[in-house]
Amino acid sequence: DAKTTQPNSMESNEEEPVHLPCNHSTISGTDYIHWYRQLPSQGPEYVIHGLTSNVNNRMASLAIAEDRKSSTLILHRATLRDAAVYYCILRTQKLVFGQGTRLTINP
Amino acid sequence: GAGVSQTPSNKVTEKGKYVELRCDPISGHTALYWYRQSLGQGPEFLIYFQGTGAADDSGLPNDRFFAVRPEGSVSTLKIQRTERGDSAVYLCASSPAVLAGLDEQFFGPGTRLTVL
Repeated sequence: DAKTTQPNSMESNEEEPVHLPCNHSTISGTDYIHWYRQLPSQGPEYVIHGLTSNVNNRMASLAIAEDRKSSTLILHRATLRDAAVYYCILRTQKLVFGQGTRLTINP
Repeated sequence: GAGVSQTPSNKVTEKGKYVELRCDPISGHTALYWYRQSLGQGPEFLIYFQGTGAADDSGLPNDRFFAVRPEGSVSTLKIQRTERGDSAVYLCASSPAVLAGLDEQFFGPGTRLTVL
């Protein structure tokens, strides 16, 4: 399974944008990039996914580099409820989770 | 609507005992997944069902672990001769399996298994 690399932790302030990076230099042409997040004591929840073009939904935006070797999840205005571990995954049928990025939001 | 439910929420057992963990997926979802998550780690894939059959069981760590989904709905993960290293949160997820691997997976809250 293709591997992703994310920073272990990041910190931001409430109501500011957050950019969570992910490197996936071994991505293949058919791999979709998925993001999930896991709030404390809960199961993971889907955030967004994309293939080549940037994507937006109600939760976040996904910016994908032109060579697809990296991507960035953007939370436009972070709230305290966005504090979670964020996982960047190159999707096959199963989800292969890495360590993720633990995002802390300061009030 | 109802999400994925898992029972029990917590299970404490003794080393060597047998345990069963249950997952009720979202109604109509044909794909069902089991993962386990050790403290401080990301979830680790165990097995995936498409309908009643196990489509991929490559993540099961050894033959003490077995899972069934006899009617294509509820699934049970069975662990024989439990070991302390089996202690983890066991997560179940389901998806409609319409888009061949792209579907959003909906996760349950997990079962926390502690083996003493």
